[in-house]
Amino acid sequence: SYVLTQPPSVSVAPGETARITCGENNIGSISVHWYQQRPGQAPVLVVYDDSDRPSGIPERFSGSNSGDTATLTINRVEAGDEADYYCQVWDTGTDRVIFGGGTKLTVL
Amino acid sequence: QVQLQESGPGLVKPSETLSLTCTVSGASISNRNYYWGWIRRPPGKGLEWIGTIYHSGNTYYNPSLKSRVTISVDTSKNQFSLKLSSVTAADTAVYYCARDKVVPHDRYIDLWGRGTLVTVSS
Repeated sequence: SYVLTQPPSVSVAPGETARITCGENNIGSISVHWYQQRPGQAPVLVVYDDSDRPSGIPERFSGSNSGDTATLTINRVEAGDEADYYCQVWDTGTDRVIFGGGTKLTVL
Repeated sequence: QVQLQESGPGLVKPSETLSLTCTVSGASISNRNYYWGWIRRPPGKGLEWIGTIYHSGNTYYNPSLKSRVTISVDTSKNQFSLKLSSVTAADTAVYYCARDKVVPHDRYIDLWGRGTLVTVSS
């Protein structure tokens, strides 16, 4: 079973680049998906299959996955990007969705 | 435009059964490309996956909740439902219904309901 490890918090100034990691042994061998949850709102899918963006998600959001770490990168961070971010995988061994613990992104 | 809407009591007493329904509009729940599921977020904590169901009735549940959870589907009403028995204060959370995109050996959630707060208290 997978345990996805995320940093509890990441802080970045407006206009800078935020990188949020999701760690697990050999996570690069499976697909990772990312969600953004703004305060008081439902989560939104921002990256799927490691690096694909759903329609309507800005190009500033990108993903990568290799080795033991998947990364969500947000370029030119804006105040509106302040939210909790979760990584997610599908565990084929136990047939269940697994979320990381979440990372709170603060825009300074 | 596909939308999901949760409905059900916002307050449940300890030891009783929590019951929620999700109504799907703008698409058929029988679409073979999707499962339909439930996720919750307790106050101050992260997302927790509860389980998911296919239109045929095939289900997958979180092992930590499996003994208390039942997810069912009513294709005639384009709805699916969650029942969680023997609730305690630890089950207080915002509950989301969601649509799971099915791909080979993978699953992700491409659409979420707005969520509904359920409080367990006497």
